[in-house]
Amino acid sequence: EPEVTQTPSHQVTQMGQEVILRCVPISNHLYFYWYRQILGQKVEFLVSFYNNEISEKSEIFDDQFSVERPDGSNFTLKIRSTKLEDSAMYFCASSEVTPGRGLAGELFFGEGSRLTVL
Amino acid sequence: AQSVTQLGSHVSVSEGALVLLRCNYSSSVPPYLFWYVQYPNQGLQLLLKYTSAATLVKGINGFEAEFKKSETSFHLTKPSAHMSDAAEYFCAVSDRALGLTFGTGTRLQVTL
Repeated sequence: EPEVTQTPSHQVTQMGQEVILRCVPISNHLYFYWYRQILGQKVEFLVSFYNNEISEKSEIFDDQFSVERPDGSNFTLKIRSTKLEDSAMYFCASSEVTPGRGLAGELFFGEGSRLTVL
Repeated sequence: AQSVTQLGSHVSVSEGALVLLRCNYSSSVPPYLFWYVQYPNQGLQLLLKYTSAATLVKGINGFEAEFKKSETSFHLTKPSAHMSDAAEYFCAVSDRALGLTFGTGTRLQVTL
């Protein structure tokens, strides 16, 4: 069964360092997403990406964040200068193009990358 | 703006008992609604979704949910809990072109 894969599963970094989290979405999916979950809190939407550009982003997704699809398979989230409050589980997700209104399709999530900022 | 409220951050049931996890939504347009489950140290897995077809939706692992527009609810139920159902459950809503808004989650504990 196709799945979304994420690397690394866990990364520890020093405050101020740059971090890149990587995701390989399901191959025939065209919409990609990043969500994060701070420990003990709800899953929060960060950004969605389609056709090589950001479709939508939340208030959380400020200038220190960026996303990229550097090749035909990877989808990355870069945090330019990490802060303590960036410590969280980051989930990548992908979905098929859904014609018509809205998001009727299923988001397939990866197992997450746990980021710890010291 | 869309939102979901999950009543009860922790629910404990006995094995074999009914599971009821509550979710109420707020949406400016007819919503799509989802329930996801997260097992320890794993990602989010879709249990079921409502996309304006049948109001009673059946999902995996014996779970089902009923969309009630008059109550703006989408509660998740399972007639008989199993130990393997212990996990965190998230309700989510989408009324925009992309992106989901998740609730705060309900941790289900199943006891013998």
